[in-house]
Amino acid sequence: QVQLQQWGAGLLKPSETLSLTCGVYGGSLISYDWWTWIRQTPGRGLEWIGQINYSGLTNYNPSLKSRITMSVDTSKSQFSLKLTSVTAADTALYFCARMSTTVTPSASFDPWGPGTLVTVSS
Amino acid sequence: DIQMTQSPSSLSASVGDRVSITCRASQSVGDYLNWYQHKPGSVPKLLIYSGSSLPGGVPSRFSGSGSGTDFTLTISGLQPEDFATYYCQQSYSSPFTFGPGTKTDI
Repeated sequence: QVQLQQWGAGLLKPSETLSLTCGVYGGSLISYDWWTWIRQTPGRGLEWIGQINYSGLTNYNPSLKSRITMSVDTSKSQFSLKLTSVTAADTALYFCARMSTTVTPSASFDPWGPGTLVTVSS
Repeated sequence: DIQMTQSPSSLSASVGDRVSITCRASQSVGDYLNWYQHKPGSVPKLLIYSGSSLPGGVPSRFSGSGSGTDFTLTISGLQPEDFATYYCQQSYSSPFTFGPGTKTDI
């Protein structure tokens, strides 16, 4: 059963770069799945950030596209998110998740990582 | 972008009640509609996929219906552990979007 664990810096200053990594355990990152980042804020609720597959193909939310870079390391079974030029508006609980079209035809997000609270403050 | 709305935004109910939450998409999403349960301090949990299918381990008191633009999540016989926030989410087209959530409390 696939499990996700995530890590990264939780406190950033404005204009810095957010960097988070998610490890895939109990299953293979090399699959038909999409490895996804989602964030949650009190004001905007749950927001899909983007996703990457094992070959490095990406799909980003247009609202964040100019600031996002996602990468994948199949040798370590990890995928990562970088978000540049952060502001207070990027303060959120960030989740990694698997989007599977083989487990569920409707491409649901399951499982989710435990979440990383990222706070942007000067 | 496909906009997702939910109603009500919050509801108060008692153990044993039957509750229904509605989700509406701004355009058809077919059956690419999922429901999640989120409890404070925990991870969102997939509750319903493809509008009406239950993943393994989800109690049968949860059910989903609908297709196209209108969907409903029903909990038949609310249990203490069901008090949470419920979100719908469409995977029909990118960017994939979530509803604002429905918070249930006692």
